[in-house]
Amino acid sequence: KAGVTQTPRYLIKTRGQQVTLSCSPISGHRSVSWYQQTPGQGLQFLFEYFSETQRNKGNFPGRFSGRQFSNSRSEMNVSTLELGDSALYLCASSIDSPSGANVLTFGAGSRLTVL
Amino acid sequence: AQKVTQAQTEISVVEKEDVTLDCVYETRDTTYYLFWYKQPPSGELVFLIRRNSFDEQNEISGRYSWNFQKSTSSFNFTITASQVVDSAVYFCALSEGQAGTALIFGKGTTLSVSS
Repeated sequence: KAGVTQTPRYLIKTRGQQVTLSCSPISGHRSVSWYQQTPGQGLQFLFEYFSETQRNKGNFPGRFSGRQFSNSRSEMNVSTLELGDSALYLCASSIDSPSGANVLTFGAGSRLTVL
Repeated sequence: AQKVTQAQTEISVVEKEDVTLDCVYETRDTTYYLFWYKQPPSGELVFLIRRNSFDEQNEISGRYSWNFQKSTSSFNFTITASQVVDSAVYFCALSEGQAGTALIFGKGTTLSVSS
């Protein structure tokens, strides 16, 4: 059974640019969540998508956005990149439960460096 | 406000030693879920265990055991007879009743096991 696949694994951008990251969930998983991991702030929830709709959102500025396609694949976009956006972006998928009981399966992440 | 504290930033042990990773949480919800995830150098978070707030039974799985105590808001994790392969960053996380996949992570404990 294939795991959660994230692309690209590494990328370098400059300030002001935008970036799109992609995530393919485990087959059958309809919920996709995104997390940002930095040395200073640790792991922080960005947003969750289910059935092509954003179901939950963390405390991040509007420069961070995402979407989900009908096949459950998801993308997240960061516009007008800032140095502080340098991070490991982790995607996680789960079968589904509106409660907090979800077991998340994470991908290996996309490491973004902003210069 | 919800919060997860992992007071131990780094722990170093020698193979075969037992090690306990501490986790203290804060929440006002009566229904919540606690998790432990492991992040090896590859970057992918791996699920280890989930407990709900109504089940204080401690659990043992092979060399791993978990001690959940609501009275002290703690959910500690013990590795018995540690091995080099246990070297990783371990995260404790909290999810409140209807939070879906929005986990609140602690800052993590880096465990180094030397031979």
